[in-house]
Amino acid sequence: EIQLAASGGGLVQPGGSLRLSCAASGFNLNKYWMSWVRQAPGKGLEWVANIKPDGSVRYYVDSVKGRFTISRDDDKNSLSLLMNSLRAEDTAMYFCASEYWGSYDNWGQGTLVTVSS
Amino acid sequence: EIVLTQSPGTLSLFPGERATLSCRASQSLVDNLLSWYQQKPGQAPRLLIYRASSRATGIPDRFSGSGSGTDFTLTISRLEPEDFAIFYCYQHGTKTFGQGTKVEVK
Repeated sequence: EIQLAASGGGLVQPGGSLRLSCAASGFNLNKYWMSWVRQAPGKGLEWVANIKPDGSVRYYVDSVKGRFTISRDDDKNSLSLLMNSLRAEDTAMYFCASEYWGSYDNWGQGTLVTVSS
Repeated sequence: EIVLTQSPGTLSLFPGERATLSCRASQSLVDNLLSWYQQKPGQAPRLLIYRASSRATGIPDRFSGSGSGTDFTLTISRLEPEDFAIFYCYQHGTKTFGQGTKVEVK
């Protein structure tokens, strides 16, 4: 069974940092483009970042460029999102997801990031 | 950036009725890379339709997608109690989601 398990969320002060992780089981992450998608409380979905299977190409939504870094660890079959200089507007549930034909076919359960003083 | 506009914002229907959800793109989508998701409270989204009209694995055939270019539709032929949720469309070109349509029990 394919599973993605996101972790690492929590409460952090504005300007702080957090690293999210997404562990995969039942499939090899290194065969897929992988993304992070977030959802602010009571709001819609927003794509945040993605990474090519070999890790050579990464894309980010403009609002996080220069602050967030997506990476993958094929030895651990996992995905990460390093978030620096966090802002209140980064408060959201963060989901990891695998890509398939321009869609997201497998999703983790989400990990909540709250940026507040 | 391609903007996706979903309508209506809320759809109030009885179980057994047909639901028709619309998603309009501000520009024509390359290769019709438009997908649909269902999200229930406290859960991750679930992929229903990809490439505008292909049903994802395990999705019942009462869900269907159609459209091309800038106009896309998700149809649920007969609503089951478990279908009531928020539905989002997504385009992969510039990676944006629509604002969602809530399908609620009338």
